[in-house]
Amino acid sequence: DTGVSQNPRHKITKRGQNVTFRCDPISEHNRLYWYRQTLGQGPEFLTYFQNEAQLEKSRLLSDRFSAERPKGSFSTLEIQRTEQGDSAMYLCASSFIRTRGTGELFFGEGSRLTVL
Amino acid sequence: DQQVKQNSPSLSVQEGRISILNCDYTNSMFDYFLWYKKYPAEGPTFLISISSIKDKNEDGRFTVFLNKSAKHLSLHIVPSQPGDSAVYFCAASVLGGNKLVFGAGTILRVKS
Repeated sequence: DTGVSQNPRHKITKRGQNVTFRCDPISEHNRLYWYRQTLGQGPEFLTYFQNEAQLEKSRLLSDRFSAERPKGSFSTLEIQRTEQGDSAMYLCASSFIRTRGTGELFFGEGSRLTVL
Repeated sequence: DQQVKQNSPSLSVQEGRISILNCDYTNSMFDYFLWYKKYPAEGPTFLISISSIKDKNEDGRFTVFLNKSAKHLSLHIVPSQPGDSAVYFCAASVLGGNKLVFGAGTILRVKS
């Protein structure tokens, strides 16, 4: 399977704990995005990378959130000191952009976070 | 502030009939629009897109119409099939921009 892969698929944690999600994009894609989706809402943009550079972060991404893409391949999203409001589906997507345009994003199946 | 709105949370259609899903947007800078389909326990998958220089784009059973003056787009599915039952998200972006803004989604149920 050469699609976008996310791990773990489901994480249950207690409030105050740290969690980390991993995303492996489609190998030739140079852009990688993180979105968050809560119940009854569409995905909301969190951040994106072009190769290893993090080029934009949403105001939704508080200082407890950090994302990395160290070698321009896989990415991690870490949430420190989790709060119940962090409970959501975290979606990773990738795309290949030559010059301009958002184009089509290829989404993974998501990592569902439940904070107790 | 919801820049992309899908005002119908759900839609139920008989198999073989037309499904029409609607989407409104408020940001006049948006010039590229997409529809994504999502099945339970899967990520959204791209369905069809349209740039603001067009008012219609067709791909098989799926057609997207764009009315820029009304800031409105719609997705038509003809004929509807039970396998089309899913959540449909409208999304918008600025060409050359870096992110998609999604609506809240419409649940489509196609009854056989």
